[in-house]
Amino acid sequence: GNSVTQMEGPVTLSEEAFLTINCTYTATGYPSLFWYVQYPGEGLQLLLKATKADDKGSNKGFEATYRKETTSFHLEKGSVQVSDSAVYFCALSGTTDSWGKLQFGAGTQVVVTP
Amino acid sequence: ETGVTQTPRHLVMGMTNKKSLKCEQHLGHNAMYWYKQSAKKPLELMFVYSLEERVENNSVPSRFSPECPNSSHLFLHLHTLQPEDSALYLCASSHRTGPYQETQYFGPGTRLLVL
Repeated sequence: GNSVTQMEGPVTLSEEAFLTINCTYTATGYPSLFWYVQYPGEGLQLLLKATKADDKGSNKGFEATYRKETTSFHLEKGSVQVSDSAVYFCALSGTTDSWGKLQFGAGTQVVVTP
Repeated sequence: ETGVTQTPRHLVMGMTNKKSLKCEQHLGHNAMYWYKQSAKKPLELMFVYSLEERVENNSVPSRFSPECPNSSHLFLHLHTLQPEDSALYLCASSHRTGPYQETQYFGPGTRLLVL
């Protein structure tokens, strides 16, 4: 079945540091890939997505590239801010599931200190 | 994402109470979802409704009863819950086209505490 594996957190870094959160997946066919972010006390918000191999999703300074050869979708940001402190979820939507449901990773907590 | 609203935002209930969670989407979507988010555990998909028909029920106990009266509204009726049911309950919606779906948009969640 489909699965998503994320690096465990918490990831703690200083403001303006470079952030990478690793995400790898297992899926049949050609899934769509997503990064969602959950700020404290809130629901999940779509951060970015990519629907085919080599696509790059980007938003709010975050980027992730759909790498089919390595089955990865790593999230990166060049210079984080305190306001980026949140939990980040990698997810995929498979094409063999007739209902296209999302498969989430366990989430990675990011803490950015001033 | 203000397109999906949930009420109440916080709920405290005893094990013998009956309560309902409400979700409303203003995005013109045709599929709605309930998720459970517990501390230290991955998101759990509970129910999926597509065109108001329940299409998935992930072995959820019968003390959780979903209802989808139309494509914009989704309810989760709760009765005789257990303390381990305390969690953040998230509603989401999406636009389904055949076997594929567009992005799911989430509400802010209802934080439930069962005493």
